[in-house]
Amino acid sequence: AQSVAQPEDQVNVAEGNPLTVKCTYSVSGNPYLFWYVQYPNRGLQFLLKYITGDNLVKGSYGFEAEFNKSQTSFHLKKPSALVSDSALYFCAVRDSESNYQLIWGAGTKLIIKP
Amino acid sequence: GAVVSQHPSWVICKSGTSVKIECRSLDFQATTMFWYRQFPKQSLMLMATSNEGSKATYEQGVEKDKFLINHASLTLSTLTVTSAHPEDSSFYICSAPGTSGRQRDYEQYFGPGTRLTVT
Repeated sequence: AQSVAQPEDQVNVAEGNPLTVKCTYSVSGNPYLFWYVQYPNRGLQFLLKYITGDNLVKGSYGFEAEFNKSQTSFHLKKPSALVSDSALYFCAVRDSESNYQLIWGAGTKLIIKP
Repeated sequence: GAVVSQHPSWVICKSGTSVKIECRSLDFQATTMFWYRQFPKQSLMLMATSNEGSKATYEQGVEKDKFLINHASLTLSTLTVTSAHPEDSSFYICSAPGTSGRQRDYEQYFGPGTRLTVT
């Protein structure tokens, strides 16, 4: 069965420190992986995606994610956190055989403290 | 990038009434749209897939007669919550896949969401 796991409900990071939000996945075919961010009472905004190619993907707002096939992970990272990065982050995977449908992680609340 | 709008952004209604939520793709056509429901501090729950010109596909456990979906055109899908009850209070979000590039590269573009409160 296809699934996405975000093992941390919440991640706390001091401003200026590097941050990592974890995501692991399980799909039957080649995974198409996505990270989205949601600010309070707002819709989701696309951050980045991995389809093929380089394992390190760079996205919006200085975020990047590393695709690790052997560990079936796609962790979101940023070298230096900003208070404005505080939000809810969702990892999602699309099975190559599905019709656009995404399988969502539970979300991780990221809190950046000044 | 592609823009998806939702209307209204929030609505308060009385129990027993019906509420219609619109989802529009503003600068692209969407033959498929998705409707999600999100509870506080939880992930998105896919309710149904809206298909232009045909019936929507509902996820298991979602009542078709309660959540009516109509995909009237290539840019508009509507979700009507019929005979709303307080337990229907939630954040409803729609999305549409982009249309540029190869199919497997499609991202989903999300509307800003509609906060429904049923009193």
